[in-house]
Amino acid sequence: NAGVTQTPKFRILKIGQSMTLQCTQDMNHNYMYWYRQDPGMGLKLIYYSVGAGITDKGEVPNGYNVSRSTTEDFPLRLELAAPSQTSVYFCASSPGGLGNYGYTFGSGTRLTVV
Amino acid sequence: LAKTTQPISMDSYEGQEVNITCSHNNIATNDYITWYQQFPSQGPRFIIQGYKTKVTNEVASLFIPADRKSSTLSLPRVSLSDTAVYYCLVARNTGGFKTIFGAGTRLFVKA
Repeated sequence: NAGVTQTPKFRILKIGQSMTLQCTQDMNHNYMYWYRQDPGMGLKLIYYSVGAGITDKGEVPNGYNVSRSTTEDFPLRLELAAPSQTSVYFCASSPGGLGNYGYTFGSGTRLTVV
Repeated sequence: LAKTTQPISMDSYEGQEVNITCSHNNIATNDYITWYQQFPSQGPRFIIQGYKTKVTNEVASLFIPADRKSSTLSLPRVSLSDTAVYYCLVARNTGGFKTIFGAGTRLFVKA
């Protein structure tokens, strides 16, 4: 099983550029999440989705957008990259809400904005 | 939302039992406690989750006292490969997704 697949693994962006981080899961999970992790810090929730067509903001949504057109895919869009968005981005999924299920995380996308 | 506090780092030796405690004084009725393990350059991996009392699986035990203001992850007989960062997560799914990841505990297992 592939689990949660993120692409690309690494990317360098110039300030003001845009990009989409891709996330796909093959476990038929309803819930999907995007986190960012700054060096030496814990994870912060950017956006989440409870199903196709439904998304909502997490703790740190500014500068990002998401869409969920299918159960499998949950891309994260950066429109105008800023140095503050330099981070490692993790996508995760779970079969239900947080009450009874753990997350499955992808391997991450390391983004540097210069 | 319940903020979590964990020790920044811990050292241990192979074969020892390691206990990592997480403090979450403001935990709410709907909150669950989950622990994750993270190796460098990898996403966190689910270890164990609980609501109260004790939960045990094939890799760890989770102890949660009656007041639920703290929890302790217990790793029996650690090996070098258990060297990682361990995160305590308190989360709820009512009224929106609110997740608090602590800064994590860096466990270093020595030979």
